[in-house]
Amino acid sequence: AQSVTQLDSHVSVSEGTPVLLRCNYSSSYSPSLFWYVQHPNKGLQLLLKYTSAATLVKGINGFEAEFKKSETSFHLTKPSAHMSDAAEYFCVVRRPMNRDDKIIFGKGTRLHILP
Amino acid sequence: GAGVSQSPRYKVAKRGQDVALRCDPISGHVSLFWYQQALGQGPEFLTYFQNEAQLDKSGLPSDRFFAERPEGSVSTLKIQRTQQEDSAVYLCASSLATRNEKLFFGSGTQLSVL
Repeated sequence: AQSVTQLDSHVSVSEGTPVLLRCNYSSSYSPSLFWYVQHPNKGLQLLLKYTSAATLVKGINGFEAEFKKSETSFHLTKPSAHMSDAAEYFCVVRRPMNRDDKIIFGKGTRLHILP
Repeated sequence: GAGVSQSPRYKVAKRGQDVALRCDPISGHVSLFWYQQALGQGPEFLTYFQNEAQLDKSGLPSDRFFAERPEGSVSTLKIQRTQQEDSAVYLCASSLATRNEKLFFGSGTQLSVL
């Protein structure tokens, strides 16, 4: 079985300060992990993905995530928050098999940026 | 097409009415997923197709929900005898293949059952 837990439902940071959105996963297999962002009234957009090539993954808009197998974590970070980063962020785990391809979303973390 | 297209964008239904939601994936994409996203929640898996084969329908909440993809491209999610708890945004996503390919999402259909 696989699952993903986003530890914070809401995170507030001031503009220009670092962002940390936490995600822990469980998977019986080596997982593929993703972060998606959803802005209000817009579709889900892929930020970055981990597929075992490198543990530190760089994504769009300055976001990064580090895969830590020992901690079963895939936290999303950004050195300096921008107002436009305010959105809902989803951590996603995908079972890397051809059949039964199931993609599980976390419940999301709402990121608020304070001026 | 350029992206995943879903129609209608908004649907209002009276309780007990049947609805059909359409998804046009990106041309050539093998995998197609349907998700249900309730207000303030993350997307919940409903069902998965690989070409025309429905390989997983374990997320469908009841037998009132039915999905098909008869020719391996366009997919339709049908909800019979809609209930208020069916109100949600229904998202369709496709990917080129299985395994690690990124998902491309449509903008969703917002269903409101009165």
